[in-house]
This record gives sequence, C-alpha cells and structure tokens, in this order.
Amino acid sequence: DAKTTQPPSMDCAEGRAANLPCNHSTISGNEYVYWYRQIHSQGPQYIIHGLKNNETNEMASLIITEDRKSSTLILPHATLRDTAVYYCIARTIGGSNYKLTFGKGTLLTVNP
Amino acid sequence: NAGVTQTPKFQVLKTGQSMTLQCAQDMNHNSMYWYRQDPGMGLRLIYYSASEGTTDKGEVPNGYNVSRLNKREFSLRLESAAPSQTSVYFCASSERITGGRDTIYFGEGSWLTVV
Repeated sequence: DAKTTQPPSMDCAEGRAANLPCNHSTISGNEYVYWYRQIHSQGPQYIIHGLKNNETNEMASLIITEDRKSSTLILPHATLRDTAVYYCIARTIGGSNYKLTFGKGTLLTVNP
Repeated sequence: NAGVTQTPKFQVLKTGQSMTLQCAQDMNHNSMYWYRQDPGMGLRLIYYSASEGTTDKGEVPNGYNVSRLNKREFSLRLESAAPSQTSVYFCASSERITGGRDTIYFGEGSWLTVV
C-alpha cells in the first residue's frame, strides 16, 4: 500500500469547515483512499473512502485530486466532538486487511 | 448492535503474570485482528485471524498468543507480562481479510499496565 503523508496537527474553529489534507503521491490505480479517526481513548472509527470520484456521506466529504496524488477530508461544520486524530490510509483493492497501516495521522483540534 | 466488544477495559498486571484479553464481534465477520497502540504512536498489528480456525503473526507478535475460539471470539494472551507490554490494545474485525472496500470495525480498547 502507498505511503501517505499528513500534517501532524491542525486547528479549526467550531462551526467552520475542517479541511484535512493527505498526500499519497505514489498511490497506484488499484488503491483506495480511506479515512479513519480516533477520538481520545476510543477505538478508530471509519469515516469515508474513495477511489477516483469525490465521495460524501453523513460524516464527511472526500475530495480526491484528478491525478489521485492527494486528497482532502472535509468536515463541513466541525464540532468540539470532532477533535480527534485523523488517519489517511491507502488500501489496495483486493489487498489484505492485515496490511492496513495506521501512521501518526493529523490531530485536529476544534476550538470553541 | 454492540459491534466489537473487548474485556477487560482496564487491567494492571505485575511483571511475569499472565492474562487474556477477550474480544467478541456480533457482525458475523470472518476476519479479526489485535492491535496495540503506544503513546503518540500509530496502531501496530499483533496477530490476525483471516477466518475461523486460522491465525497469523502481524508486525509485533513476540510475547503474545492468540486463539480464534469461534467465528465470534478472538482472544489475546500474555503468557508472562513485561513492562514493555504496557499499552492500549484494540480488537477489530472485518467481513474478510482482503477486499480493499472492507471497513474495519474497532473495539473501544483495553488499557493494560504492567508494573
């Protein structure tokens, strides 16, 4: 699976959109981009994933660049409960889940 | 729907003691995993079970054993606990071991301190 690079930390004001970047310049055509988050003292939680097209669900939107070398997770209206570490992960279609690698992620702090 | 349930949530052990962390999932998933997470670090895979009856080593298996008791349950055993095993342990499950589209669901974690 391709390596991903994220900023170590970001801040966001409550009620504003939080835009979390992820670089995956070596991603291959058969790799999905997945996002998980981990709220303090809890297990990681799935947020969203995508391959080529932008995706949206009830939690967030995922914008993947046309060349697929980077992506942005958007939390449209961040709340204090969104303060967490966010992990961007590249996963191979048909690849083994046991190879899933969680790096250090981005600590998003939502401020009142 | 409970998802992935781990017990105990907190445990303090003395060096050399043994213990077993229990994990159960109610999503009829085939694959299960045990991770550890040390302060400021990402998750590291200890062992995984692709399906009932099979187990395999992950990135950091030394000092641990696992048992896939049935499809629902996957336990992690520390035979002789060491201070280096002080960590937060997460159990997880997914429908299959491969797929890329599969979502992995995690338990709430077990905080283990070895003194």
